[in-house]
Amino acid sequence: DVKVTQSSRYLVKRTGEKVFLECVQDMDHENMFWYRQDPGLGLRLIYFSYDVKMKEKGDIPEGYSVSREKKERFSLILESASTNQTSMYLCASSSTAGGPDNEQFFGPGTRLTVL
Amino acid sequence: TQLLEQSPQFLSIQEGENLTVYCNSSSVFSSLQWYRQEPGEGPVLLVTVVTGGEVKKLKRLTFQFGDARKDSSLHITAAQPGDTGLYLCADLGGQNFVFGPGTRLSVLP
Repeated sequence: DVKVTQSSRYLVKRTGEKVFLECVQDMDHENMFWYRQDPGLGLRLIYFSYDVKMKEKGDIPEGYSVSREKKERFSLILESASTNQTSMYLCASSSTAGGPDNEQFFGPGTRLTVL
Repeated sequence: TQLLEQSPQFLSIQEGENLTVYCNSSSVFSSLQWYRQEPGEGPVLLVTVVTGGEVKKLKRLTFQFGDARKDSSLHITAAQPGDTGLYLCADLGGQNFVFGPGTRLSVLP
């Protein structure tokens, strides 16, 4: 079974802190994604990566950066956390990007609260 | 930018009832996927539909893709408490990865 794990289920940080969210997948997938999920808004893509050291901006990249140094690991970084970044963060991976076979496998999510 | 709308936003029904939820897109889908997200978990793929007019069945779930490939419905027959969750439609087949806001379904025993 594909497994996507995220480093924390719950995280509480202070405004201005630097925050790292880690995601690891074990299926040798090329593509990895970071979304945030807010009530009534669904999942919104922050960044995705289609290869090691490659990244593409999604719909809402402002205030975030990412790092992919190894194929299995994709990190989301909040350089200076703000209260409007309080949200559920979901990581996903897939073997393809685009096309009808693009099934994304998700981690359980990290609920981040910024005080 | 493609926008996906889902209705209803919330649905609470008794076990054994039938229900239908809908997904509409502002533009033609590249391909349409339905995911279910249970509380505390990430979304899990239920089905992918590609061809206009396509109908797929997954046990008690029936998925229909509109002829014009801009809308879809998910029908659940004889709902069970295990069907409780957030149902999301998505278009991940193109260069944009877009999800709808979801329908939150609660099936009461």
